[in-house]
Amino acid sequence: DTGVSQDPRHKITKRGQNVTFRCDPISEHNRLYWYRQTLGQGPEFLTYFQNEAQLEKSRLLSDRFSAERPKGSFSTLEIQRTEQGDSAMYLCASSFMTGKRSKNIQYFGAGTRLSVL
Amino acid sequence: GENVEQHPSTLSVQEGDSAVIKCTYSDSASNYFPWYKQELGKGPQLIIDIRSNVGEKKDQRIAVTLNKTAKHFSLHITETQPEDSAVYFCAASYPYGGSQGNLIFGKGTKLSVKP
Repeated sequence: DTGVSQDPRHKITKRGQNVTFRCDPISEHNRLYWYRQTLGQGPEFLTYFQNEAQLEKSRLLSDRFSAERPKGSFSTLEIQRTEQGDSAMYLCASSFMTGKRSKNIQYFGAGTRLSVL
Repeated sequence: GENVEQHPSTLSVQEGDSAVIKCTYSDSASNYFPWYKQELGKGPQLIIDIRSNVGEKKDQRIAVTLNKTAKHFSLHITETQPEDSAVYFCAASYPYGGSQGNLIFGKGTKLSVKP
């Protein structure tokens, strides 16, 4: 399977614990996005990387959230001191931007569903 | 910032009928409009997209129309089949010129196709 893969698929944790999710984008895709999706809503943008550089963060990304993309390959999203409000599906998407006229087609992974008890 | 409204939130049709989902956007700078299908337990899957310099695009049973003046775009599915049952999301983006290109999604439409 050469699509976007995310691990784990499900994570149950207790409030106050730290969690980390991993995303492996499609090979050679230079952009990687993180979105959060709550029940009955569309995905909401959290942050994105152009290669290894994190270029934008949403206001939804509090200081408890951090993301990395070392060497411009896989990415990790860490949530520290989890709260019940963090319960959601965390989606990763990747794309290949070739230039100013590129459509930036984003391909999504299956997501990591986080439940904070 | 951009805001995308999507209607209806639920849609039930008989197999073989057509389904139409409508979206409006607020930022006239947006110029790329993809549609995603999300099945239970899966991530969104791109089914069709359109750029702002095109008024209509068709791919087999699926078509998308765009009215830039009114800031409306719509998804049309003809000859619906039970496997079309899923949640559909519209989105808007400004992906060009080095911008971040993140997608702004509508809240989704749950389509049910009855056999």
